[in-house]
Amino acid sequence: DAGVTQSPTHLIKTRGQQVTLRCSPKSGHDTVSWYQQALGQGPQFIFQYYEEEERQRGNFPDRFSGHQFPNYSSELNVNALLLGDSALYLCASSPLTSGGGWGTDTQYFGPGTRLTVL
Amino acid sequence: ELKVEQNPLFLSMQEGKNYTIYCNYSTTSDRLYWYRQDPGKSLESLFVLLSNGAVKQEGRLMASLDTKARLSTLHITAAVHDLSATYFCAVDGSSNTGKLIFGQGTTLQVKP
Repeated sequence: DAGVTQSPTHLIKTRGQQVTLRCSPKSGHDTVSWYQQALGQGPQFIFQYYEEEERQRGNFPDRFSGHQFPNYSSELNVNALLLGDSALYLCASSPLTSGGGWGTDTQYFGPGTRLTVL
Repeated sequence: ELKVEQNPLFLSMQEGKNYTIYCNYSTTSDRLYWYRQDPGKSLESLFVLLSNGAVKQEGRLMASLDTKARLSTLHITAAVHDLSATYFCAVDGSSNTGKLIFGQGTTLQVKP
């Protein structure tokens, strides 16, 4: 059973460019969350997708946007890149708990995409 | 705004010793997660604590949750070098909807 996969592994961009990161959730998972982890920091929540809609969002500007596809995979797009966007971007997937509640089980993290903005 | 604080942020210890990492959080939550991260790697789930008084153990690691004190602990027993990593606690910051708020992390270095 494949876990959470992300692509690409590494990416180098220059300021002002746009980037798209991709994530495939663990089999059986339908909820995808994205996190940004700057060097030496804990991950910060960017947003969460469920049923192809953004359900929750953290304190990130509109330059950060996303999408979820019918097969539950997801993309993270960042426009007008800044030097401060350099970080490890982590995708996490989880199944919706039974009973239709909104609580989630453990989130399983992918290997991440290391984005460097020059 | 929910805040999660860990201490210590850095811990250097000898093999065979015991120590505890503390995780405090600022608002009510009954779900707390512990993750491990090796350098340059992703996050590995260690424990999910779902209720007050929950205690879970795996090998030399034991985690507990006191929701009234808003405190979780990760206890390390007889540390070995393989436990060297950064440990994060995370609290569900939005009514158990999966928006995890992470602490700063505790970097553990176990010396032979």
